Amino acid sequence: EVQLVESGGGLVQPGGSLRLSCAASGFTFSSYSMNWVRQAPGKGLEWVSYISSSSSSIYYADSVKGRFTISRDNAKNSLYLQMNSLRDEDTAVYYCARVRYYYDSSGPNWFDPWGQGTLVTVSS
Amino acid sequence: DIQMTQSPSSLSASVGDRVTITCRASQSISSYLNWYQQKPGKAPKLLIYAASSLQSGVPSRFSGSGSGTDFTLNISSLQPEDFATYYCQQSYSTPRTFGQGTKLEIK
Repeated sequence: EVQLVESGGGLVQPGGSLRLSCAASGFTFSSYSMNWVRQAPGKGLEWVSYISSSSSSIYYADSVKGRFTISRDNAKNSLYLQMNSLRDEDTAVYYCARVRYYYDSSGPNWFDPWGQGTLVTVSS
Repeated sequence: DIQMTQSPSSLSASVGDRVTITCRASQSISSYLNWYQQKPGKAPKLLIYAASSLQSGVPSRFSGSGSGTDFTLNISSLQPEDFATYYCQQSYSTPRTFGQGTKLEIK
């Protein structure tokens, strides 16, 4: 069974740091690009960051650029999100999601599956 | 950034009804459009990819159509388990962007 399990969320003060992890199983993790997507309480979905299978391509939303760092360890089948200089507005459930492509990386693509999410609360 | 606008934002319907949710992109995205379903406290689940392809295991009462800037998600006969929030998402360019969501409630 293809599965993604996030961990590392919790309560942190503004300006603090947190590292999220996403453990992958049931598929060849090193062959897939991955994303982080977040959802603030009662709000919609916001894409956060993307990393290619080999880590050669990395992208961030403007809202987290310079503060968050995405990385992966293919030997450990794990995805990470290092979050620094956290703000109140970073409070959200953070999901990791695998990228699937219609035929290749230039074609239609989508997120499937998603992990169950981990809650990050930034508050003093 | 490509803006995705869904309508309506909320919808009340009854079991057995046919429902249509629309999604409009601020520029052409060809068929790079996906639909997700999210239930309270759960992760989003893929329903439709590439505008009209049904994800494996998703009931055939769900269908998607459209290309360019205008897309629709149809549910042919609502079932109790379909009451949820639905999101469209474009995968044409980075940043990937989502619609604001359509909350489907029981009438």
